[in-house]
Amino acid sequence: ETGVTQTPRHLVMGMTNKKSLKCEQHLGHNAMYWYKQSAKKPLELMFVYNFKEQTENNSVPSRFSPECPNSSHLFLHLHTLQPEDSALYLCASSHRGVGDTEAFFGQGTRLTVV
Amino acid sequence: GQQVMQIPQYQHVQEGEDFTTYCNSSTTLSNIQWYKQRPGGHPVFLIQLVKSGEVKKQKRLTFQFGEAKKNSSLHITATQTTDVGTYFCAGPWSNYQLIWGAGTKLIIKP
Repeated sequence: ETGVTQTPRHLVMGMTNKKSLKCEQHLGHNAMYWYKQSAKKPLELMFVYNFKEQTENNSVPSRFSPECPNSSHLFLHLHTLQPEDSALYLCASSHRGVGDTEAFFGQGTRLTVV
Repeated sequence: GQQVMQIPQYQHVQEGEDFTTYCNSSTTLSNIQWYKQRPGGHPVFLIQLVKSGEVKKQKRLTFQFGEAKKNSSLHITATQTTDVGTYFCAGPWSNYQLIWGAGTKLIIKP
């Protein structure tokens, strides 16, 4: 619907597991983003890629590892997560930077760390 | 650092009543964006305001950007059940970063 597709929609993982979140955009956008949305907190930007190059890394713990193989795909690799990492992880894309143009969000992955 | 404060956190209204959410930035913004997130959904872009004092309308929604470009509001007239959700404002911090308000959740009383 939005042109940004995230999989899986829901994920339950143990603290010792390794999993990956996938995001794909069909909008021809140049920038892609990972956000974390926790209850009662503003959206937190995690990573930004522009033309496949990482431009922002907002002091995200190394247990989160992004990968952007091309301008249409974005991954978030997860390992040894903590229960407090449980949240909705949203991928977004924009034609230019979101500083002056709208962001299109995927439907998110609801992550639960047990 | 730059902050965007959004109030109220929640607003309960009867269907048909009006709803307003306010955003205040600690710094002047080049623009402000508004998004809506339905329950269980993802943020969806509503509008971007750029000019000082700008007012834009989308049907029952009225968006304003303050003269000093530090505050903004969203007003919904005669709320309907389809308006339920959380409304976020966001202002640019850099070319690739937005500073988000915490959101205002619109709840329609049964």
